[in-house]
Amino acid sequence: DAKTTQPPSMDCAEGRAANLPCNHSTISGNEYVYWYRQIHSQGPQYIIHGLKNNETNEMASLIITEDRKSSTLILPHATLRDTAVYYCTYRVNTNAGKSTFGDGTTLTVKP
Amino acid sequence: GAVVSQHPSWVICKSGTSVKIECRSLDFQATTMFWYRQFPKQSLMLMATSNEGSKATYEQGVEKDKFLINHASLTLSTLTVTSAHPEDSSFYICSASQGSNSPLHFGNGTRLTVT
Repeated sequence: DAKTTQPPSMDCAEGRAANLPCNHSTISGNEYVYWYRQIHSQGPQYIIHGLKNNETNEMASLIITEDRKSSTLILPHATLRDTAVYYCTYRVNTNAGKSTFGDGTTLTVKP
Repeated sequence: GAVVSQHPSWVICKSGTSVKIECRSLDFQATTMFWYRQFPKQSLMLMATSNEGSKATYEQGVEKDKFLINHASLTLSTLTVTSAHPEDSSFYICSASQGSNSPLHFGNGTRLTVT
């Protein structure tokens, strides 16, 4: 199973960058890191994923360390609507690429 | 693209009855779908991997006779909670992807309440 560790909660001021760390030291060399977020009572929403290189899309940036044991999700200008639980995970090479989820980080964006 | 539709969004049933939840990939084919369960203030717990045309693979501790999974086509998987009891009340979420190295796309979940 995918094992990840994230801080349980973080606060961020509106308009500032939110940097959410994740430790995934058991990840294998060809397993991608994925980030999702879940707003209360909804299904999780895909944000971004990466293998080795840093990635950026319209929602966020993903920084992966060279040893791939950890990563950081960056929301460059957080808004109140970014308040959610953020999960990092990876899809294991076996078992059809299943993903298990840790407890995630509850990000609260404050005005 | 990559939309997953889940139905119903909520259901209330009496203890002892069965409830079926549908999960559809609307604009892509999914040979594999995943079913999760989430209790209040907890993370998603993987229940099973649904494989098109074959038996589902259940996680340890999940009763396969209680949670019946059928994946009859490349766009539809169903989860049936049989003989539901109040402790089965939970938020059930399905997901699908376009490949084993692709992101998971989730349905909006089904809130089941068993009275």
